[in-house]
Amino acid sequence: EDQVTQSPEALRLQEGESSSLNCSYTVSGLRGLFWYRQDPGKGPEFLFTLYSAGEEKEKERLKATLTKKESFLHITAPKPEDSATYLCAVPGNTPLVFGKGTRLSVIA
Amino acid sequence: IAGITQAPTSQILAAGRRMTLRCTQDMRHNAMYWYRQDLGLGLRLIHYSNTAGTTGKGEVPDGYSVSRANTDDFPLTLASAVPSQTSVYFCASSRTSGSVTDTQYFGPGTRLTVL
Repeated sequence: EDQVTQSPEALRLQEGESSSLNCSYTVSGLRGLFWYRQDPGKGPEFLFTLYSAGEEKEKERLKATLTKKESFLHITAPKPEDSATYLCAVPGNTPLVFGKGTRLSVIA
Repeated sequence: IAGITQAPTSQILAAGRRMTLRCTQDMRHNAMYWYRQDLGLGLRLIHYSNTAGTTGKGEVPDGYSVSRANTDDFPLTLASAVPSQTSVYFCASSRTSGSVTDTQYFGPGTRLTVL
């Protein structure tokens, strides 16, 4: 069964305190990994797609990396506006299988 | 360009009533999807459509039906709502389905409460 597991479930950081979110997956034949950001009361907003192990992508304070079994979303010097739930997803038996997300809170 | 619009924004519904959630996209995407999002369970796929005229079942299809008469619209119908269908419903679309490069874009959601 295709599974996507995200950790931690929740993360509280001080402004400027860098950290990483993890997304591990068990699918056969990875066809990409997607990261989304979701703000309360809104739909998920696309951040990155990673296609192969070793690939990295950056956007402002976020950098996503991919290995053969997991992906990391690194947040460098976060700001309060980075507070959101971060979701990862992979194509599997259904078009996209989502993890349950990591709820990030950045405190000023 | 609006992207994806969903209606209504929120709804309170009596159990047993029929309800249709509307979804329209203006990106000319071939594929469309319906998800529900529940606390602790994440996003789960209900139904999807790879192209107009075709539909498929997702992870949690029971109690829901969809149709895809044209490219732009993908309504989700609850024939007889039950309290367990209380959730936030998201519609999404992608250029195609099955390709590693195709990103799904999401609408703003419909918050449905069934009493």
